Amino acid sequence: EVQLVESGGGLVQPGGSLRFSCAASGFTFSNYWMSWVRQAPGKGLEWVANIKQDASEKYYVDSVKGRFTISRDNAKNSLYLEMDSLRAEDTAVYYCVRDWHHYDTLTRQYYYYMDVWGKGTTVTVSS
Amino acid sequence: EIVMTQSPATLSVSPGERATLSCRASQSVSSNLAWYQQKPGQAPRLLIFGASTRATGIPARFSGSGSGTEFTLTISSLQSEDFAVYYCQQYNRWPRTFGQGTKVEIK
Repeated sequence: EVQLVESGGGLVQPGGSLRFSCAASGFTFSNYWMSWVRQAPGKGLEWVANIKQDASEKYYVDSVKGRFTISRDNAKNSLYLEMDSLRAEDTAVYYCVRDWHHYDTLTRQYYYYMDVWGKGTTVTVSS
Repeated sequence: EIVMTQSPATLSVSPGERATLSCRASQSVSSNLAWYQQKPGQAPRLLIFGASTRATGIPARFSGSGSGTEFTLTISSLQSEDFAVYYCQQYNRWPRTFGQGTKVEIK
C-alpha cells in the first residue's frame, strides 16, 4: 500500500524553528518529485515547496522563500521540511504529497499533479 | 500566478441528485486541471487529473470536463460519502494553485 506518514509537528513560538519529516512506503520513493502542501485552519490548500527526485531542483512559494528548506533522503525514503523564522501565518496542517505527471507531446513538457497525500502534521505558531 | 475561482462556495444537494461544481482559471491552463475531495479531518484525495481522467479507484459517478479557463466537476448521483469539500487545482504553470473550494452539503 502506498503511504506517506508525516511526523514532527507541534507548537512553536514566533521566530522559532521546526523540522518535520515524512516517511514514504509502498512505492519507489527515489522515482518521484515530492511536495509539501499546507492548509491553515478553516482555509484552503496552498502548495509550499517541492523537490526533484535527486534533490537537484527545489522550488518554494514566495511567502516561505528564505525561511523554509525542503530536503530528502532517498536511502531512508524520507522527505523533510525545515522551517525557520516562523510566523503566526505559518500555522497550518502540513501535508506530504507525492507528485505524478503526464507528458504533453505537443508542448514537450511534463505536468505535475498531486496523486498521493499523507494525513498531515499540525504546526501551531503562537506565543 | 494563476488564480482559480470556484463556484458556488456551498452547494446543497439531496442524496441521489446531481451536483455540478465550477472552476474558472484567470488564464488558460489547457487541460492541466485536477480535482480533489476533502472530508472533515482527512487529507485531500485526488479525484480527477487532466481535466477529465478519473484517478485510480474513483467511481464513475465522478466526471470532469472543460479546458482552457472553464472546468466542471459533475457528481451524477450523490451518495452519502460524497458530501465533502472539493478543490480544483491548476498545474499548467508554477506555482500550482488551488481554488478556494466548494462545500457540497446535504440538503
